Amino acid sequence: DAKTTQPPSMDCAEGRAANLPCNHSTISGNEYVYWYRQIHSQGPQYIIHGLKNNETNEMASLIITEDRKSSTLILPHATLRDTAVYYCIVRVRAGSARQLTFGSGTQLTVLP
Amino acid sequence: AAGVIQSPRHLIKEKRETATLKCYPIPRHDTVYWYQQGPGQDPQFLISFYEKMQSDKGSIPDRFSAQQFSDYHSELNMSSLELGDSALYFCASSREGTSGGPEQFFGPGTRLTVL
Repeated sequence: DAKTTQPPSMDCAEGRAANLPCNHSTISGNEYVYWYRQIHSQGPQYIIHGLKNNETNEMASLIITEDRKSSTLILPHATLRDTAVYYCIVRVRAGSARQLTFGSGTQLTVLP
Repeated sequence: AAGVIQSPRHLIKEKRETATLKCYPIPRHDTVYWYQQGPGQDPQFLISFYEKMQSDKGSIPDRFSAQQFSDYHSELNMSSLELGDSALYFCASSREGTSGGPEQFFGPGTRLTVL
């Protein structure tokens, strides 16, 4: 699975959009970009994933650059409950119960 | 909606004792994963099972073993416990075959403390 690089920490004001970047310059054509988050000591939570098109769900939007070497997770209206470590993970499409390889992630702190 | 259930939520053991952690996946999920998260660390993959067969293996010590049963629940057995085994242990489940690769749903974790 491709390696990812994320900033170690970010702050965001409550109610504003949080934009979390991720670099994955060695991504292969069959690898997807997944985002998970972990609120302190809770189980990681799936947020969104995409291959090459931008994706949106009730939690967030995922913007993937045309060359697929980077992506941005957008939380449109951050709340205090969005304070968590956000992990960007690149992996091939499942088919063999593939593991998630967690990197260091970005600690997002939403400020009141 | 039903979630992944893990038991016990907290466990305290002495060195060299054994421990068994249990995981009950979301109904109709056929794949179970185990992860270990030490203090201040990121989750690390241990082992996974698909349709009751071991599928993938990560950094799981030889002292640990796991299996998935006919009802799809899974157990992680840990023997000769060491202080360094103190960690959060997460179980996750997924249903293989969904479009784009199935997301994994994590349980609340079992906090193991080895004294």
